[in-house]
Formats: sequence, C-alpha cells, structure tokens
Amino acid sequence: DAGVIQSPRHEVTEMGQEVTLRCKPISGHNSLFWYRQTMMRGLELLIYFNNNVPIDDSGMPEDRFSAKMPNASFSTLKIQPSEPRDSAVYFCASSLNPGQKYFGEGSWLTVV
Amino acid sequence: AQRVTQPEKLLSVFKGAPVELKCNYSYSGSPELFWYVQYSRQRLQLLLRHISRESIKGFTADLNKGETSFHLKKPFAQEEDSAMYYCALNGGANNLFFGTGTRLTVIP
Repeated sequence: DAGVIQSPRHEVTEMGQEVTLRCKPISGHNSLFWYRQTMMRGLELLIYFNNNVPIDDSGMPEDRFSAKMPNASFSTLKIQPSEPRDSAVYFCASSLNPGQKYFGEGSWLTVV
Repeated sequence: AQRVTQPEKLLSVFKGAPVELKCNYSYSGSPELFWYVQYSRQRLQLLLRHISRESIKGFTADLNKGETSFHLKKPFAQEEDSAMYYCALNGGANNLFFGTGTRLTVIP
C-alpha cells in the first residue's frame, strides 16, 4: 500500500479563492482524520470520520471550512473563501485501530 | 478534559548528550500515550506507544501515572534525531490529542 495519499502537496492561492485538499486513506481503514499544523498551535484535529460519517467536527475553525467523505477511499477538505491565516500544513490520517494512525505527507497551503 | 502539554517548543543538545523531551497529560481515564516524530518536510510517523514498552531508534518512554508524564528519552543523541516530536493521547472515541510539539536539534 502506498500509504495515505494527499494532494496537492503544495498550493499557493490568493485570498478569497476556494481551496480543495484531497485525501485517499489506506485501503481498509475505517477512520479518517484531518489535522492542521501551524507553528503556534502545533497539530490540531479539525474533523474525523468513521465509516464515512463525520463524528467530530468541533475542531473546524469556522463555516468557511467544510469536509466530506463521499466514500471509503476519498475525502476532501474545502476552504471557501480562503484567508491568509489559513496558511498551514494540512495532514490527513487514517486508521483501523484506535490510536494507530497513519499520516499523509501533508498539503502545504499558502494564502496570499 | 483531555490535554497534552509539551512545555518545550525548542530543545537543542549536543551529539552524544542525553536527551529528554517532556510530556505531561491530563486524562480522567486510563491513558494510552504515543510519541510521533516528524522529520524535515516528511509525514508524521509513530515512534513508540507506551503499551508496547519498546525502544525505537534508542528512544524509550515510560508512563508515570503518579506524575502524569510520558517523557521521551535517549541516552546518546544523534544528528539524525533532529526532528519535531509530538506526544499524543488517545482520548477515546478513536480520537488522538496532540501536544504542541518539541523541535529537537542535535548539534554536531
């Protein structure tokens, strides 16, 4: 298995534009997580899905952020409209067992 | 409420010196704790978990319930240990709470 796959790896966009980040979890995993990493706050859980259903989205900063998981092999995190303070690395992770999470390589977002 | 505290954002040690990365937690139940490592511009990787009681790359971590700590230790730091280290707590419901991380720099 190639592991958790995220795209794009890097994105630079202008303030106000829509950003869509994508994640393909490891095949067979039933949980998927979106994390945001910043220098100030480290790793923050944004949302996680279990069996494609959102379980906890309390970490989603505001209505500009939304996440979907239409099937077991694909998830998106969308920011609309994007703002400079959204600049961060966004990680996707998947797991089968509680606690044992496998991370993607991250999507480096810069909003100018 | 669950909380993981890593008091040091930055830690520098000389090669060959002992290193200890501190982690304290707050959790009402029986904790399950992990250390993750992130090398430069790479994905997070699980380094070790307390229930395994194993040593990975020379690192060990002992869960001290009395002090609510799970410090990561290595007796002799190597340059390749330079990375970002995150302590994490399994808060139940398949959730994982991370500390803010400690960036370790091993000076040659």
